[in-house]
Amino acid sequence: RKEVEQDPGPFNVPEGATVAFNCTYSNSASQSFFWYRQDCRKEPKLLMSVYSSGNEDGRFTAQLNRASQYISLLIRDSKLSDSATYLCVVNLASGGSYIPTFGRGTSLIVHP
Amino acid sequence: GAGVSQSPSNKVTEKGKDVELRCDPISGHTALYWYRQRLGQGLEFLIYFQGNSAPDKSGLPSDRFSAERTGESVSTLTIQRTQQEDSAVYLCASRPITSGRARLDEQFFGPGTRLTVL
Repeated sequence: RKEVEQDPGPFNVPEGATVAFNCTYSNSASQSFFWYRQDCRKEPKLLMSVYSSGNEDGRFTAQLNRASQYISLLIRDSKLSDSATYLCVVNLASGGSYIPTFGRGTSLIVHP
Repeated sequence: GAGVSQSPSNKVTEKGKDVELRCDPISGHTALYWYRQRLGQGLEFLIYFQGNSAPDKSGLPSDRFSAERTGESVSTLTIQRTQQEDSAVYLCASRPITSGRARLDEQFFGPGTRLTVL
C-alpha cells in the first residue's frame, strides 16, 4: 500500500462547480499535512496547510480526519484557472526532521 | 528575494554517460530535498539534507545515484552510467526549518531539471 494515495482523476467540471478531493495516508505517525498545486510542466507550489480543526482560504477548504487517516480539499465556485494537479503531502518524522511524502496528485480540469 | 534555482534546465545525454544536476536553495534554508518526477507520475523522494548531512538516503533508487551538499547551500545530484529509465524531471526543494514549528514549514521548489537519456 502506498503511503499517500489519491484518486488521479481527471475530475472534469464546469465553471462554478464545487469539487472535492480526498487523500488517504497509511502512517498514523504523520505529523502535518499540506495541499500543493502543480501546473503543467511547472514546479509544485503550496496551496494551503491542513490544520486539525480544518481551515478555509477563500474558495478553498481543507479538512483533516486523523481517526480515518484522510485529508480533503474542497474547491467552491471553480474557475478555469483552478485547472491543475493537486498534490496531497504528508510529513513523516525522520531523523530529527520531516520528510514530505507526496501523493500522485489529482488532476482537475475546469471547462467553460 | 531569489527562489530556488536549478541548472541545467534541460539535459539530454546518451545512455551510459554521467550527469550532474545542481540546486541552489534559498539562502538560509537548512533543509534541502531532491525528488524525481516521471512523466504523468507523482513526486518520488530521493534524498534530503539537514545542513550538510543526509540523514535519509533511502529514496535513492540505486548506487548510481549520489548527492552532496557543501556549505549548507549548493547541492549536486550525480547520476552515473545513466539509463533510459532515469529520464524524468528532477526537482529540488528547500525549507527554512523554523525551530519549534519545523513540521509546518513550507517547501519551496525549483523549476526542475528535465533529463532525457537517449
